[in-house]
Amino acid sequence: DSGVTQTPKHLITATGQRVTLRCSPRSGDLSVYWYQQSLDQGLQFLIQYYNGEERAKGNILERFSAQQFPDLHSELNLSSLELGDSALYFCASSVSLGGSTEAFFGQGTRLTVV
Amino acid sequence: GDSVTQMEGPVTLSEEACLTINCTYTATGYPSLFWYVQYPGEGLQLLLKATKADDKGSNKGFEATYRKETTSFHLEKGSVQVSDSAVYFCALSAQGGSEKLVFGKGTKLTVNP
Repeated sequence: DSGVTQTPKHLITATGQRVTLRCSPRSGDLSVYWYQQSLDQGLQFLIQYYNGEERAKGNILERFSAQQFPDLHSELNLSSLELGDSALYFCASSVSLGGSTEAFFGQGTRLTVV
Repeated sequence: GDSVTQMEGPVTLSEEACLTINCTYTATGYPSLFWYVQYPGEGLQLLLKATKADDKGSNKGFEATYRKETTSFHLEKGSVQVSDSAVYFCALSAQGGSEKLVFGKGTKLTVNP
């Protein structure tokens, strides 16, 4: 158990809908990262928050947004969903900034858009 | 931009065989290098890491050495077990930038008894 909790584990929704994925980081971790894992693109970095502030942005679509709340949990909002958004979405957390810091991953939310 | 290239497999081995999964990277400066492992139905777990040239990371019998001259970080294990069956990801975190991880595409390893 990594200590990172993601909910829900599975989500099935229709095209055009909006969903919210939730992540609770490990106790004490200030950094939260979101990654998307798909068969064709592999693991892609989406966005990072540190202590409530956006720190880095990767290949995140404009239809996607995220935030980190004062209690440090984070939510990833996906809207106007398309079939191609079907993927496994991972949240990871780390205690601080620093390139050698280990990131701990949750078990992921599997999103299926039908 | 930064990138990681690893052999994609799948790789199928018999128990007690030797394993090498090749990984090369492109990055400026001195990135930190990682191997993560993903067991079926689970998230990624850090297997080992190295933060500077010539460092050797090791864990659970797996080893990888940070080779700056060849920009490589190959994963090796002398004798694999059935329980090592998983997908292995090579990754880097750029020096001085965001701590985001840049991953290779993953290598699926199956070890047969």
